[in-house]
Amino acid sequence: KQEVTQIPAALSVPEGENLVLNCSFTDSAIYNLQWFRQDPGKGLTSLLLIQSSQREQTSGRLNASLDKSSGRSTLYIAASQPGDSATYLCAVTNRDDKIIFGKGTRLHILP
Amino acid sequence: NAGVTQTPKFQVLKTGQSMTLQCAQDMNHNSMYWYRQDPGMGLRLIYYSASEGTTDKGEVPNGYNVSRLNKREFSLRLESAAPSQTSVYFCASNLEFRFMPEAFFGQGTRLTVV
Repeated sequence: KQEVTQIPAALSVPEGENLVLNCSFTDSAIYNLQWFRQDPGKGLTSLLLIQSSQREQTSGRLNASLDKSSGRSTLYIAASQPGDSATYLCAVTNRDDKIIFGKGTRLHILP
Repeated sequence: NAGVTQTPKFQVLKTGQSMTLQCAQDMNHNSMYWYRQDPGMGLRLIYYSASEGTTDKGEVPNGYNVSRLNKREFSLRLESAAPSQTSVYFCASNLEFRFMPEAFFGQGTRLTVV
């Protein structure tokens, strides 16, 4: 059974710092991994999608990497801003077509 | 606006009442999903539909039924609501989970069962 774990559960950093969020998964037979952002009381917004054959994806200040063999992904946020404060969720698409989520990392950027 | 639309946004039910949560997408996506989100539990898959005419159980299907009415619509039904079903429910869709897997989410339905 696929399990997705995100560490840390919560993180507070001063504005301007670079930071890394971690995601690990137990079954490496995945189609892809996706990072989402969720603001309080809102739905999910897709940030980055990495196919199983890819190693990383970049969008603006965000960079996501994937090491499928070790079951790990990281989301790197450069030059953090208060507007980056949100919960970040990692999700994998299994070979049985299910999308399984981690519990998320609550990020707070201190002005 | 293109996207995933869920109705209602908020609902309060009494224990034992039934209701249907509606979800519709206008992106011609094949796959649709229902999740529930609870504090400290993350998002858990209830049911999914890989394509029109098919539905499959997820992690927590007990107490729920689904209908893939057509390609656009995927509904979630609670036949006899229980307080344990108090949660935020999200519907999601993607074009084809193996080849174009980016998932889009609705804004959620906040359900309280008293």
